[in-house]
This record gives sequence, structure tokens and C-alpha cells, in this order.
Amino acid sequence: QSALTQPASVSGSPGQSITISCTGTSSDVGGYNYVSWYQQHPGKAPKLMIYEVSNRPSGVPDRFSGSKSGNTASLTISGLQAEDEADYYCSSYTSSSTDVVFGGGTKLTVL
Amino acid sequence: QVQLVQSGAEVKKPGASVKVSCKASGYTFTGYYMHWVRQAPGQGLEWMGRINPNSGGTNYAQKFQGRVTMTRDTSISTAYMELSRLRSDDTAVYYCARVRGSWSLSYWGQGTLVTVSS
Repeated sequence: QSALTQPASVSGSPGQSITISCTGTSSDVGGYNYVSWYQQHPGKAPKLMIYEVSNRPSGVPDRFSGSKSGNTASLTISGLQAEDEADYYCSSYTSSSTDVVFGGGTKLTVL
Repeated sequence: QVQLVQSGAEVKKPGASVKVSCKASGYTFTGYYMHWVRQAPGQGLEWMGRINPNSGGTNYAQKFQGRVTMTRDTSISTAYMELSRLRSDDTAVYYCARVRGSWSLSYWGQGTLVTVSS
């Protein structure tokens, strides 16, 4: 069981918007602004999409945005495109014994 | 450009140890923490720990304490992750990843598949 809770799957049609949630506790997501989001295509290494809750690295389209409310962080992808189909993982710094925790991952299907 | 190049796939027997290397280029190796993350087949990402390449200081996930050792050789800009007393459930792709800022992982190696099988 992962420390952060994500939905197993989400789907949307091209052009639509989707949101993936990531629920933790006050010891991780709720307590620190160190939430990151990663995109992973099959057989590839993860790619950083959002860091420190809502910041985009250079080169990441502005269709990707992040936010946080209480113990839940969210990744929103607007204007869905076929290439967005991938697995998405959230992570957070945690004050527990492990320093970094990941969510279980969400499979995004673009219909 | 930043590149992390990992060593090749390994097959090990239960009880053995494995050492994976991660050669960095394109930036100052000692300026950024290096993390190690693994992913079992069909499963999610799991954080193992990190090393400060400047000081050699390490932080390990409690799950791996006593079995994992992270080291570095600054002369060749290479980080290492050694996992001992391997079990079948250690079969996974092991990634090194360089931080951006504090706790986000902005650059990743290509991954190293470690298979533990008798």
C-alpha cells in the first residue's frame, strides 16, 4: 500500500481536461510544499512535470498545472492530447522515516 | 546537457549483492543530491534513499536500512547503489535521479534491471 493515494485510472477525450488527485497526510502533502508530479510512458524513465506543488520545469507545456488544498494535491491536464496517455505519479517529502513517498500511480487513458 | 548513464542489467541469485553505477555528466556532480528509486515489474515507484555527492552523507528509506549502501566517486562523477541479501521481490528496475532544488527529481538515468532468481 502506497503512502499517497491516487486513483488507479482516469480517462478523457482529446481536448478535454482531467484532474488526478493525490491524498496524503499532514506529515507529507499537507505539511510541506514539496509535491512533485511525474509522467511515465511504458518502458521509459519518469519525467518531472510539476515540482513544489505548482511549478513547471522548462519545456513542460502549460497545459499541465498543479495545486494543493489541505492534504490533497492535484494535477490538472487541460486540452488533452494523445501523447499525454501515460502513468502519472505524485510524490512528496515526508517527515516520516522515509523522507520521500510516492503515490501508487494513475493510468491516464486518452479515449 | 545533463546525462545520467547507468550500468547494464544484472541477474543475481537470492542472497547475493548487486552494485549499480550511475555516471553523471553535464553539470557539477558535487552540487546536487543523487537519489535512487526502484520500480518492480508492473508496480509503482519506490524511493530508496539519497546521497550528497559532496560530503558522501546518506539518507536511506527505513525499509532498506541495513541492506543498502550508497556511495560515490567524485573523481569520475559516479554514484553507486549496492543492495545486499537480495530476494526475489528485489527484482526491479533501479533508477538514479538528480534533484532539482530540494526534493523533486529532474533528471533520471535510463534504469538498470536487476533480476533476482535462483
